[in-house]
Amino acid sequence: AQRVTQPEKLLSVFKGAPVELKCNYSYSGSPELFWYVQYSRQRLQLLLRHISRESIKGFTADLNKGETSFHLKKPFAQEEDSAMYYCALSVASGTYKYIFGTGTRLKVLA
Amino acid sequence: GAGVSQTPSNKVTEKGKYVELRCDPISGHTALYWYRQSLGQGPEFLIYFQGTGAADDSGLPNDRFFAVRPEGSVSTLKIQRTERGDSAVYLCASRSSGGALYEQFFGPGTRLTVL
Repeated sequence: AQRVTQPEKLLSVFKGAPVELKCNYSYSGSPELFWYVQYSRQRLQLLLRHISRESIKGFTADLNKGETSFHLKKPFAQEEDSAMYYCALSVASGTYKYIFGTGTRLKVLA
Repeated sequence: GAGVSQTPSNKVTEKGKYVELRCDPISGHTALYWYRQSLGQGPEFLIYFQGTGAADDSGLPNDRFFAVRPEGSVSTLKIQRTERGDSAVYLCASRSSGGALYEQFFGPGTRLTVL
């Protein structure tokens, strides 16, 4: 079965602390994974995709096929990182539709 | 340029009524998706259009739901005989051709409330 699991509904950290948002997936094919972010009163927007191996706003995510994980990390959280984060798996069946996790709300405390 | 737009932003209706939700994708994007997001959940796939045709409608929950994209641009999601369980945010996304590496761009959503 194709599934994305984000075990934490809410993650609270203090400003300057490291952040790790967990994402595990279940997929029989070669996964293509994304992190989307939704700031307050804004639409969903792409944060980063695993294939690009990029760092956006200080966030990185490494695909670990052995552990079927794609955790999102940032060494020093900032207050403006407070948002809802969704991990998404793109299904390569010709549609490239997304399967989303349930999301993790990150709160960065001053 | 303009992003994906959706109208209306909010829709309140009574149980049993018919509703239409509209999506205007980014110009030139051939792929269009509808998702539904219930409270506390991530978006769930409903239907995918490539051009004018519905290439994958496997996510539509039942035959009360239908979507069209007659000219390969604007799409309308139609819900007949609405039920309280249909209350959710309906998201539209579009993507340019070229495969999975191209991100989906999301609209702001339509919040549907069925009383």
